[in-house]
Amino acid sequence: ELKVEQNPLFLSMQEGKNYTIYCNYSTTSDRLYWYRQDPGKSLESLFVLLSNGAVKQEGRLMASLDTKARLSTLHITAAVHDLSATYFCAVGVQGGSEKLVFGKGTKLTVNP
Amino acid sequence: DSGVTQTPKHLITATGQRVTLRCSPRSGDLSVYWYQQSLDQGLQFLIQYYNGEERAKGNILERFSAQQFPDLHSELNLSSLELGDSALYFCASSVFGTGLYNEQFFGPGTRLTVL
Repeated sequence: ELKVEQNPLFLSMQEGKNYTIYCNYSTTSDRLYWYRQDPGKSLESLFVLLSNGAVKQEGRLMASLDTKARLSTLHITAAVHDLSATYFCAVGVQGGSEKLVFGKGTKLTVNP
Repeated sequence: DSGVTQTPKHLITATGQRVTLRCSPRSGDLSVYWYQQSLDQGLQFLIQYYNGEERAKGNILERFSAQQFPDLHSELNLSSLELGDSALYFCASSVFGTGLYNEQFFGPGTRLTVL
């Protein structure tokens, strides 16, 4: 059974600092997604990573995927308050459907 | 706005009751997925439909059922409700049933409160 582990679960950082969120998964998969969720809101797609070594960047966020290590990272550069949200990684289960297994999420708070 | 719509936005009901949540996928999407988000269980996959047929089942209770209609909208029926069923229920849709390029887009969710 596919398990997805995210850490840290809570992250409080100061504006201008850098940090990385880690997402480990337990079985082979060829697709990994990062989502952002603001309180009480829906899931907003940030990145879709489909191959080993994939790296995608959008603004101050950069995501990467290492399928051999079963690890994805979400790196935050020079954080700003607007990045405060909960970030989820989700891994696609191979074979027959597109069921997503989510990590528990990382609640990020960026303090001025 | 993802293009996926869900109604109602909020639902408050009592234990033992039955409710129906509705989802309309993005135009052109054939797959609909239902997820439950609660504080203790996190985000969990419930069930997937593709073009009217059940495609995959997750941790969906027997008291819950779903269907996808010919116009591709989907309904999630929750019966004999318990306090623990209080959660945010998301619907997502995608073009295909499976495949690499099959990103899911999430609706705004329905918040269910069981009193």
